[in-house]
Amino acid sequence: EDQVTQSPEALRLQEGESSSLNCSYTVSGLRGLFWYRQDPGKGPEFLFTLYSAGEEKEKERLKATLTKKESFLHITAPKPEDSATYLCAALNYGGSQGNLIFGKGTKLSVKP
Amino acid sequence: DVKVTQSSRYLVKRTGEKVFLECVQDMDHENMFWYRQDPGLGLRLIYFSYDVKMKEKGDIPEGYSVSREKKERFSLILESASTNQTSMYLCASRTGRTNTEAFFGQGTRLTVV
Repeated sequence: EDQVTQSPEALRLQEGESSSLNCSYTVSGLRGLFWYRQDPGKGPEFLFTLYSAGEEKEKERLKATLTKKESFLHITAPKPEDSATYLCAALNYGGSQGNLIFGKGTKLSVKP
Repeated sequence: DVKVTQSSRYLVKRTGEKVFLECVQDMDHENMFWYRQDPGLGLRLIYFSYDVKMKEKGDIPEGYSVSREKKERFSLILESASTNQTSMYLCASRTGRTNTEAFFGQGTRLTVV
């Protein structure tokens, strides 16, 4: 069964303390790996798409990387406004249009 | 800017009521999705549609139905609302037959009392 697992469930950082979030996936053919940010009470906001192992994408303090089994979201010198839940999702070849399989998210809190 | 708009941010309905959640996208996307999101369970797919009048069941379709009469609009229907359908409902859309990302609406927080 295709599965996406994120760790840790929650992460508390001090402002400026860099860290990484993990997304492990087992899918029958990966078409794409997506990272989203979700603020409380709002819909997920798209951050990055990664398509092949070795690929990296950057945006401000965030950098996403992809291997054949997992993806990392590296946060460099985070600020309180980076506090949110970060979701990853894998798109596979199943079904008529592919299935988007979500992890349960990592809730990041950055304290000033 | 891409736009997925859900008709309500918050809804309170009574048990047994028929509830309609509406979603409109302005990106000419073929695929549209309805998810529910609950603490500890993540996002779960209820239904999706890959074309007008076409639909497929997701992981948890029981108690729900959908309608897609126009390409830009996808409606989720709770035939007879129950308290266990209290949840955050999220609509999303994506271009068909590609590996591109899905875009989400702002969510509807539904409470069934």
